[in-house]
Amino acid sequence: QLQLQESGPGLVKPSGTLSLTCSVSGVSITNTHYYWAWIRQPPGEGLEWIGTVYYTGRTYYNPSLTSRLSISVDTSKNQFSLNLSSVTASDTAVFYCARHYGDDPFDIWGQGTMVTVSS
Amino acid sequence: EIVLTQSPGTLSLSPGERATLSCRASQSVSRSYLAWYQQKPGQAPRLFIYGASSRATGIPDRFSGSGSGTDFTLTISRLEPEDFAVYYCQQYDTTPLTFGGGTRVDIK
Repeated sequence: QLQLQESGPGLVKPSGTLSLTCSVSGVSITNTHYYWAWIRQPPGEGLEWIGTVYYTGRTYYNPSLTSRLSISVDTSKNQFSLNLSSVTASDTAVFYCARHYGDDPFDIWGQGTMVTVSS
Repeated sequence: EIVLTQSPGTLSLSPGERATLSCRASQSVSRSYLAWYQQKPGQAPRLFIYGASSRATGIPDRFSGSGSGTDFTLTISRLEPEDFAVYYCQQYDTTPLTFGGGTRVDIK
């Protein structure tokens, strides 16, 4: 059964870099049909797509975050990762990793991990 | 960027009643690439509807989606206790992928 699990620090200092990893189990991250995404949700607010990566390393980023964002894939570990630099309190959110099948919407989500930006 | 506006912000209804949720796009969503998700407190969103009108696996038939172009609707024919939650629409036609602000369906 396909499962996604986010991991990483729950607290990041302002101006630092937020780094998260999503571990994929139950399917190979190199499956050619699947794309792997990050989505975030500030407390009490709505959802924001951060970006998507394909197993080849090709990425698709939200233009609002491009200058601070890097998403990568590690096929040997069946994981993909998020790095968001120069964070501020407005980056505080629950971060979800998710899968989408080709042009389809997000059908499998991780449980989410809360990241707080604070000194 | 396609901006999605959901209305109403909150819908207060009783179990057994019909719920109608709206999602309006700032420009046409081609190929009806519009999805609906349900989110309960402390949980990840769950895909309910894709392609504007197709139910995802395991979603009961009291949920239906309709619409095309810029106007989409999620209808819950008869609310069950487990249906009280927040619902988000999302377009996956063009990047950046965007979500609506959500409609909360709560118990009256």
